[in-house]
Amino acid sequence: GQSLEQPSEVTAVEGAIVQINCTYQTSGFYGLSWYQQHDGGAPTFLSYNGLDGLEETGRFSSFLSRSDSYGYLLLQELQMKDSASYFCAVPGMIYNQGGKLIFGQGTELSVKP
Amino acid sequence: GAGVSQTPSNKVTEKGKYVELRCDPISGHTALYWYRQSLGQGPEFLIYFQGTGAADDSGLPNDRFFAVRPEGSVSTLKIQRTERGDSAVYLCASARGTSGTDTQYFGPGTRLTVL
Repeated sequence: GQSLEQPSEVTAVEGAIVQINCTYQTSGFYGLSWYQQHDGGAPTFLSYNGLDGLEETGRFSSFLSRSDSYGYLLLQELQMKDSASYFCAVPGMIYNQGGKLIFGQGTELSVKP
Repeated sequence: GAGVSQTPSNKVTEKGKYVELRCDPISGHTALYWYRQSLGQGPEFLIYFQGTGAADDSGLPNDRFFAVRPEGSVSTLKIQRTERGDSAVYLCASARGTSGTDTQYFGPGTRLTVL
């Protein structure tokens, strides 16, 4: 089976840096994705790590260590609009399971002024 | 271009009724996924289509749930004899393919409430 663990909530102030961690247990591994979801909105793709290391996209970066089964999402220069839920996810690529995603329970980020 | 759309945005029904939820994927996307999201949880996989065929329906909770995609584009999720436990947000996503690296684009979801 597959499972992912991430903190349920994180609070930070505007302008700060915050890191959201994700540890996973999978029978196979095909990369770690991150999605953002605002209240009542659609999950929106942020980043994907297929290999170890850091991927940077503007204010957001994502890191993966396959040997540690661990990744994180780093958000810099926090803005109020970054208040949302953040999900890590892995593809369920076992046998013929195709590209379905297995999601963590999500981390609710609250950005305070 | 247009993203994934879902209708209706909200559906309130009574226990025991039948409901249909519709998903219009991004044009040209061959892969289509249905997920269900309960409050405070991550999306949970239900079923996915590669073209017209259901390639994996292992996430459907029981035989009251069924989904079709007859022409390889629009998909309908059908729930018979609804129960209060079916209340959730039903999300649809589409992708160009089914590789783990193909980004899934989600619709805004249908919030189903079973009274």
